[in-house]
Amino acid sequence: GAVVSQHPSRVICKSGTSVKIECRSLDFQATTMFWYRQFPKQSLMLMATSNEGSKATYEQGVEKDKFLINHASLTLSTLTVTSAHPEDSSFYICSAQRRPVRADTQYFGPGTRLTVL
Amino acid sequence: GESVGLHLPTLSVQEGDNSIINCAYSNSASDYFIWYKQESGKGPQFIIDIRSNMDKRQGQRVTVLLNKTVKHLSLQIAATQPGDSAVYFCAENWGNFGNEKLTFGTGTRLTIIP
Repeated sequence: GAVVSQHPSRVICKSGTSVKIECRSLDFQATTMFWYRQFPKQSLMLMATSNEGSKATYEQGVEKDKFLINHASLTLSTLTVTSAHPEDSSFYICSAQRRPVRADTQYFGPGTRLTVL
Repeated sequence: GESVGLHLPTLSVQEGDNSIINCAYSNSASDYFIWYKQESGKGPQFIIDIRSNMDKRQGQRVTVLLNKTVKHLSLQIAATQPGDSAVYFCAENWGNFGNEKLTFGTGTRLTIIP
């Protein structure tokens, strides 16, 4: 199956700093990537949809100025958590959509555990 | 719908027995539904999907049932193995072509007892 990677897998940062998380589709081109957030023992919540070469579409309640998304190429999307606070601590998961668009062609990354002190 | 603040339901099953995991969805306009398996510290892994115009679909050791009348989805895992221990999520796909997105259900933690 297709492979999606995330980097870093874990990151600890101080409150007020910014953190960048990368999502890469390793063996296919993804015109669409998605960013999810998952709090402990909870479900995945879609944060935003990222299309290559255009602005991301954010879900209601997600601050676009706080969670900056850049999808500069067909294999890379980045999520930057700006001015991170302890409440931003979470498991961030990306997924990449491969064509043809089907239920089994959206591939998830392994996630990034963010801890804000 | 959202599940903020809820703890994951749990299900313990003896190895070799069958398990049934249930899910309620909210959007009657969803065009297909997916079951994912998530192991600890990893991203979701696709198991099986079913289109909204179907009521049953079978895969290898798994069967998904869809009841649109009551907006209910179930995943049956036959002859469970220790490797089946994980959290299972249902997800519904909806939206206009090119703007589809997934909404995940609460999730169920399945534990296989050796």
